[in-house]
Amino acid sequence: EAGVAQSPRYKIIEKRQSVAFWCNPISGHATLYWYQQILGQGPKLLIQFQNNGVVDDSQLPKDRFSAERLKGVDSTLKIQPAKLEDSAVYLCASSQAFMNTEAFFGQGTRLTVV
Amino acid sequence: GIQVEQSPPDLILQEGANSTLRCNFSDSVNNLQWFHQNPWGQLINLFYIPSGTKQNGRLSATTVATERYSLLYISSSQTTDSGVYFCAVESGGTSYGKLTFGQGTILTVHP
Repeated sequence: EAGVAQSPRYKIIEKRQSVAFWCNPISGHATLYWYQQILGQGPKLLIQFQNNGVVDDSQLPKDRFSAERLKGVDSTLKIQPAKLEDSAVYLCASSQAFMNTEAFFGQGTRLTVV
Repeated sequence: GIQVEQSPPDLILQEGANSTLRCNFSDSVNNLQWFHQNPWGQLINLFYIPSGTKQNGRLSATTVATERYSLLYISSSQTTDSGVYFCAVESGGTSYGKLTFGQGTILTVHP
């Protein structure tokens, strides 16, 4: 069974530029998450989708971050414009059900904003 | 929201040694997972263990939900066990379906 796929693996951009990350969850997983992991910390949830609907985006900085999951499968996370403090690893995860189930993570995208 | 505390923050071992990592949480949980983050940043699932005890090779885990803690045991450690170990929990209410992570334990195993 293929795992959660993410791309790109690494990205370096200048502040005020825009960037997009892509995630393909495990086949059949209805729930998809984006987490942000700043160096030295545990991952923190940005947004959670159930199929193509947003369940929770309370921690997403909506003035610069946006995410979508149009057909209930793939998802993209965008940052525009990027700030230095956005430098982090962005992790996508998926699970079969909305709660009480195991979540699986992709390899992440390491973003450096200079 | 729920608080998750992991200890110790850092652990240095010689190859072959055993270790115990602890995860304390401040509220009842529906889900608890242990992950190993390897040097390339990948989060590897170790255990899905909201309660009880599980074993997988040299690793085992125990969650005592009523006392709000979980333990991860690593026996006969190897250099490939190095990395960061995270505990993550899902609690109820508005936190359904969301994992809250601890700060992690950084494990270094020397040959």
